[in-house]
Amino acid sequence: SQTIHQWPATLVQPVGSPLSLECTVEGTSNPNLYWYRQAAGRGLQLLFYSVGIGQISSEVPQNLSASRPQDRQFILSSKKLLLSDSGFYLCAWNRDKYNSPLHFGNGTRLTVT
Amino acid sequence: RKEVEQDPGPFNVPEGATVAFNCTYSNSASQSFFWYRQDCRKEPKLLMSVYSSGNEDGRFTAQLNRASQYISLLIRDSKLSDSATYLCVVRSGGGADGLTFGKGTHLIIQP
Repeated sequence: SQTIHQWPATLVQPVGSPLSLECTVEGTSNPNLYWYRQAAGRGLQLLFYSVGIGQISSEVPQNLSASRPQDRQFILSSKKLLLSDSGFYLCAWNRDKYNSPLHFGNGTRLTVT
Repeated sequence: RKEVEQDPGPFNVPEGATVAFNCTYSNSASQSFFWYRQDCRKEPKLLMSVYSSGNEDGRFTAQLNRASQYISLLIRDSKLSDSATYLCVVRSGGGADGLTFGKGTHLIIQP
């Protein structure tokens, strides 16, 4: 069966510090990978998605970036965090089929202070 | 018009009651539909896919109405553990970015 791992679970970082969140998927190959953010009391916002190694599409211009160095690894980064980057970050995967649902990792709760 | 709309609630329902809520979508070419459940401060979890003919999973029934462009979720014999936010997800495009989430309906089951 497929599993998705995301870490860390919680993170408190000062403004201006860098960020690196990592996500890995097991039990499948060539998944679509996604980073979402959910602000408190808000809906899910798609940040990045990737259909293959090195292929990243950005949905929202911001100070975040994503990379996919390996087939089942997806990394979310920032060089300098802003207060507005606080939120619940979720990694997800699905298969490249129209009826394939998303499966989410446990999420990272980021607080920028 | 928003792409995917849900009544945010909260729906306050007594334990054992039946509750139903809808989700409307604007793109008539939408292909796939899903219901997710999200507990407070947790990740969304797939509850069920929604098939054209409707489908049932235990106490949960999902329906699709293409003519009126909405999907519905019905919960029978509600349990306290059903308290959560229910997210509607619609796929409206063929690409990886074709999934659109509703903002969710908050359900509270009261003892």
